[in-house]
Amino acid sequence: GQSLEQPSEVTAVEGAIVQINCTYQTSGFYGLSWYQQHDGGAPTFLSYNGLDGLEETGRFSSFLSRSDSYGYLLLQELQMKDSASYFCAVRDRGTGFQKLVFGTGTRLLVSP
Amino acid sequence: SAVISQKPSRDICQRGTSLTIQCQVDSQVTMMFWYRQQPGQSLTLIATANQGSEATYESGFVIDKFPISRPNLTFSTLTVSNMSPEDSSIYLCSVEITGLGTEAFFGQGTRLTVV
Repeated sequence: GQSLEQPSEVTAVEGAIVQINCTYQTSGFYGLSWYQQHDGGAPTFLSYNGLDGLEETGRFSSFLSRSDSYGYLLLQELQMKDSASYFCAVRDRGTGFQKLVFGTGTRLLVSP
Repeated sequence: SAVISQKPSRDICQRGTSLTIQCQVDSQVTMMFWYRQQPGQSLTLIATANQGSEATYESGFVIDKFPISRPNLTFSTLTVSNMSPEDSSIYLCSVEITGLGTEAFFGQGTRLTVV
């Protein structure tokens, strides 16, 4: 089976930097994605790592180490609007197609 | 990108009844995915719906409880049958656009409460 573990909650202040970790166990691996979900909203795509290393998209960066089965999402210059839940997800080939398996989720609380 | 219209956005239902959730996409997609999300929890895949074939269900989900229709490439429905309070959850449909591969798009979800 598959499992993706994340810290349940992270707190930080505006302007700070926060890192959300994700460790995974999958049968077949095809990249690590990150999604953001505000309360009552739909998950929205943030980033994708297919290969090892760092991907940067504005204030957000994502890192992957396939040998360690580990990745993280780095959020810089935190803003209040970044308060949300963040999910890592892996693509796992199952029953003939690729599907997304989501991590346990991390609730980020940004305070003034 | 893809725009997904999902309805109803929320509903309160009596136990023993059924609710059908609709998902409309603004472009043709091969696969549509249905997820369940308990409040404060992660997303769990219920099933994958392909046009012209039976849906593929994940472990713990069965067709009798969650029948799915996929009549064309832009529309799907999920029915939650014979509901109990344990079915209270958020149900989300999702699609991925062929060619992009790495990004999934989600509807706004249906918040279901069973009383």
